[in-house]
Amino acid sequence: DADVTQTPRNRITKTGKRIMLECSQTKGHDRMYWYRQDPGLGLRLIYYSFDVKDINKGEISDGYSVSRQAQAKFSLSLESAIPNQTALYFCATEGYGANVLTFGAGSRLTVL
Amino acid sequence: SQKIEQNSEALNIQEGKTATLTCNYTNYSPAYLQWYRQDPGRGPVFLLLIRENEKEKRKERLKVTFDTTLKQSLFHVTASQPADSATYLCALYGNNRLAFGKGNQVVVIP
Repeated sequence: DADVTQTPRNRITKTGKRIMLECSQTKGHDRMYWYRQDPGLGLRLIYYSFDVKDINKGEISDGYSVSRQAQAKFSLSLESAIPNQTALYFCATEGYGANVLTFGAGSRLTVL
Repeated sequence: SQKIEQNSEALNIQEGKTATLTCNYTNYSPAYLQWYRQDPGRGPVFLLLIRENEKEKRKERLKVTFDTTLKQSLFHVTASQPADSATYLCALYGNNRLAFGKGNQVVVIP
């Protein structure tokens, strides 16, 4: 099994729908991150969490929310999806002091 | 503002040659710099971390240099193989988060 698992891997939805992307990890890492990747724009940080009670906005948090349900689980929600949220979304984890990220396989979201 | 710059043009290189990629940064004072590899449709995978007091780091056919005066890192893949074809991302820590360059694609031609 993968260390960092993202579900769903692919999702097509319509404008205005609520979408949740889920991430779970078996690495025992405290820190978890959500990034989105767009062609030509690279990876941009949406939200990050350093432990269960800690949530921080990244550089592009508008239109998104997150929930850290447990050390191993970090979900990203789009309350009302819009077409420009079409992107590849990655969850990543980091052990405290490790300074290195382990990424999931990605969730490809298409908003029509 | 903080910037991490990588060449947007793909690097096409003949098998067996050395591929060299550049990462330049501004308004960072990084204690270390990282390089990741990303294959199409997949998540980035960590390759190497180099600290500010290290001039050079090697791992198998990979070599990274870090010049904090020039604010630049060079990433070398020696004796390149078609399996090295991928996008390579550099990354720096700032403001409690890891920020990535846009990546530089390498295509190794057999």
